[in-house]
Parts: sequence; structure tokens; C-alpha cells
Amino acid sequence: DQQVKQNSPSLSVQEGRISILNCDYTNSMFDYFLWYKKYPAEGPTFLISISSIKDKNEDGRFTVFLNKSAKHLSLHIVPSQPGDSAVYFCAASSGGAGSYQLTFGKGTKLSVIP
Amino acid sequence: AAGVIQSPRHLIKEKRETATLKCYPIPRHDTVYWYQQGPGQDPQFLISFYEKMQSDKGSIPDRFSAQQFSDYHSELNMSSLELGDSALYFCASSRLAGAYNEQFFGPGTRLTVL
Repeated sequence: DQQVKQNSPSLSVQEGRISILNCDYTNSMFDYFLWYKKYPAEGPTFLISISSIKDKNEDGRFTVFLNKSAKHLSLHIVPSQPGDSAVYFCAASSGGAGSYQLTFGKGTKLSVIP
Repeated sequence: AAGVIQSPRHLIKEKRETATLKCYPIPRHDTVYWYQQGPGQDPQFLISFYEKMQSDKGSIPDRFSAQQFSDYHSELNMSSLELGDSALYFCASSRLAGAYNEQFFGPGTRLTVL
């Protein structure tokens, strides 16, 4: 049972435009959400996170939005750059319940076209 | 900035052999996590340690064991290797401060079981 779902396996965006990556979760105990970027043959690189008490967190070109009632979060990248091309993983944990393990989605492969 | 170090980066073993993977966390990080990523899959949590004590346990087979040492490095020991153990093994570290923690991943060890 996939508790974190990324329903789009891939996404292509023109350079300079906005990339929107979506993530849904089913476990209501999740209270912390993270986005990781992964290049082939490398480990996941932390991008941005958000706790369940917030609905938005922004860091430079990256913004994460959280809709708790819909159990949905999204990562916006503006403007998209060719170097953003990678696989993006959504992850969640339930630290408030004492569990810090991350549960990952299956990832979305973003291709930014020059 | 110092990152998580994993060794070896690549490992080839025969069925029924044993393997030891090592992880050196970011300095001053007190928590280590192990994840397994099969081909085309999302990373799956195996086990974690906080201050040298096991803190959380996921889908780790009984054939695997792990520990965290006094210098905070961790080792994942895998015995009676099976073909299905072929995967990328990631170690991550964090500084456990409260319920919200970003985990920083190493580059991974690619284990191939023949």
C-alpha cells in the first residue's frame, strides 16, 4: 500500500516556465513533508520541506504548498532551468508520533527543455 | 560542507556470501538511517539509530543487522545474500532536534549479487 503517491512518472517543461510536481498521501499521521532531487548514480539531495502546521514554504525558486484537508502537496519551480532535470521524490514522516523514517513516493522525472 | 560518506561505492558478491556496508554521517549528526532502493523503486526504510541505539525499524530482513558505533558511524551487515538483495543502499544522517528533521543522504552503495 503506497502511502505517498506521485501519480506522474514524468513531466516535461520548457526552460523558464513553471514546473509543478504533485504528491498525495494517505497517512494522516504524517506531519512533515520533504522534497528530494535525485540524479542518476547519486543520493537524494534535500530541496525543501514543510511541516503540517504550515501551508506554504518558499526557498528561492522552490515553493512547496501543503493542503492538509486534501492530503496533497506540490512543489513549484519557477523559473525552471535545464539543471533542474532530475527525478524528484516526495517524502513524508510522522515525527510527532516518534517515527522519523521517511516514506517516499515513486518519484517524478522532470525534464526541462532548453 | 562535509557530506555523508558511504563505502564501498560498488560491491559485487555471490549468493550466500556476506557484505558489510559502512556509513559516516555528517559531523555532529547523531542519527543514521539506512534505505534500500531497488531498480525503478522508491527508497525503502530499513533501520535507524540515534545515539548508538536502534530508534526505528522498517522492512529489514532478519539476515541483515546494523549498528552505530561510538564515533557515530554505522555499518549494515548482510548475510546469506540473495539475488533480490541487489539494490542501491543509501545511508542518511540528521541531527535529531525535535520532531522535524531533514535527512541528508550519502551517494549510496550499489550492491550486485550474482
